[in-house]
Amino acid sequence: EAAVTQSPRNKVAVTGGKVTLSCNQTNNHNNMYWYRQDTGHGLRLIHYSYGAGSTEKGDIPDGYKASRPSQENFSLILELATPSQTSVYFCASGDANWVYEQYFGPGTRLTVL
Amino acid sequence: GDSVIQMQGQVTLSENDFLFINCTYSTTGYPTLFWYVQYSGEGPQLLLQVTTANNKGSSRGFEATYDKGTTSFHLQKTSVQEIDSAVYYCAMRDTNAYKVIFGKGTHLHVLP
Repeated sequence: EAAVTQSPRNKVAVTGGKVTLSCNQTNNHNNMYWYRQDTGHGLRLIHYSYGAGSTEKGDIPDGYKASRPSQENFSLILELATPSQTSVYFCASGDANWVYEQYFGPGTRLTVL
Repeated sequence: GDSVIQMQGQVTLSENDFLFINCTYSTTGYPTLFWYVQYSGEGPQLLLQVTTANNKGSSRGFEATYDKGTTSFHLQKTSVQEIDSAVYYCAMRDTNAYKVIFGKGTHLHVLP
């Protein structure tokens, strides 16, 4: 069974609305990550976390917040969604000692109208 | 800061062709290098890591060789198959943080 799951898998939101993307992992990994994937840009890191209660800004954090309430769960929050945030979002988990080996979820396709 | 450059956005080959995907990097530290693969409808997954022991990494018929002189670690496969159609990302561990720097990805399309 999948070790990193994301919900929802597809989401249509309106401009100015609030969107929450959820991620759950059963790998017992300390590190978790949120990326967005866009044609021509590849994977870009939004936020990441070293463990429950911690969040760190990645390379493109503007317009996004993150929450890590437990080892297993990591959420990405768009308080005021904009069309430029239309993208595919991936969550990943990884062991703190093996940063390069990240385990990705299946992705969430978000469309902001 | 650290960076990874992957210039080829798309590569189209026929089955049994030779694959070569170019990737170069820039870092002030000692690099930890690897390749990820993403099949359609899935998240990326680790394909191989280039080890410092012999400057090579291999998996599933793919091979990457690290060249410190040219700061490159290109991905190669002798004979591609249709099932190899996917997006390939070169990547490097950021020396200053617990994160990975990904290239922009190369979409490989293998014709039957």
